[in-house]
Amino acid sequence: QQPVQSPQAVILREGEDAVINCSSSKALYSVHWYRQKHGEAPVFLMILLKGGEQKGHEKISASFNEKKQQSSLYLTASQLSYSGTYFCGTATTDSWGKLQFGAGTQVVVTP
Amino acid sequence: GAVVSQHPSWVICKSGTSVKIECRSLDFQATTMFWYRQFPKQSLMLMATSNEGSKATYEQGVEKDKFLINHASLTLSTLTVTSAHPEDSSFYICSARDQYIQETQYFGPGTRLLVL
Repeated sequence: QQPVQSPQAVILREGEDAVINCSSSKALYSVHWYRQKHGEAPVFLMILLKGGEQKGHEKISASFNEKKQQSSLYLTASQLSYSGTYFCGTATTDSWGKLQFGAGTQVVVTP
Repeated sequence: GAVVSQHPSWVICKSGTSVKIECRSLDFQATTMFWYRQFPKQSLMLMATSNEGSKATYEQGVEKDKFLINHASLTLSTLTVTSAHPEDSSFYICSARDQYIQETQYFGPGTRLLVL
């Protein structure tokens, strides 16, 4: 079952912060975050595993709340290069390895 | 590291023809590869899971006789769209999972298929 992402879209000025949420109705084993720019394939950002710790990549970090089956991606001090569509992919405990992707969150960072 | 290539990147074909798309892991061995399709401004929809040396597992609603998958080696999986029709036009993306780092999937650059 597809995870639910919110918001659908967000517009930021350079330097502003944003949070993207991803939630599932099923027990999650892992949450994967990707960014896709127009016309290109998704690029892996980070993975959060059940029982794992919060991850980060430069000023992009993510958390995983196992009790709520939710993950949040934090864009801090956004840069123009952060523009793109962010997808969360989730693997459940009964379908380990296969990812179901959310509908995506379009992020536009303006100067 | 963790580079996945796809070939071709673009293909235009006539209705009724078959199209083969290759997905290769260039610097790691992938026991499992996944095939997705993505329509404009939509999410990635998993089509099938390809395991080296065994039959692919297809998601519900995906015709296995139309989308033939072969995973002949630890670095190559192919998707053949048989008797393609305009509704098969889409962006097809593969991903590969490193056999030693099982959790992470690395995506190829995708193949745009346009069926006329």
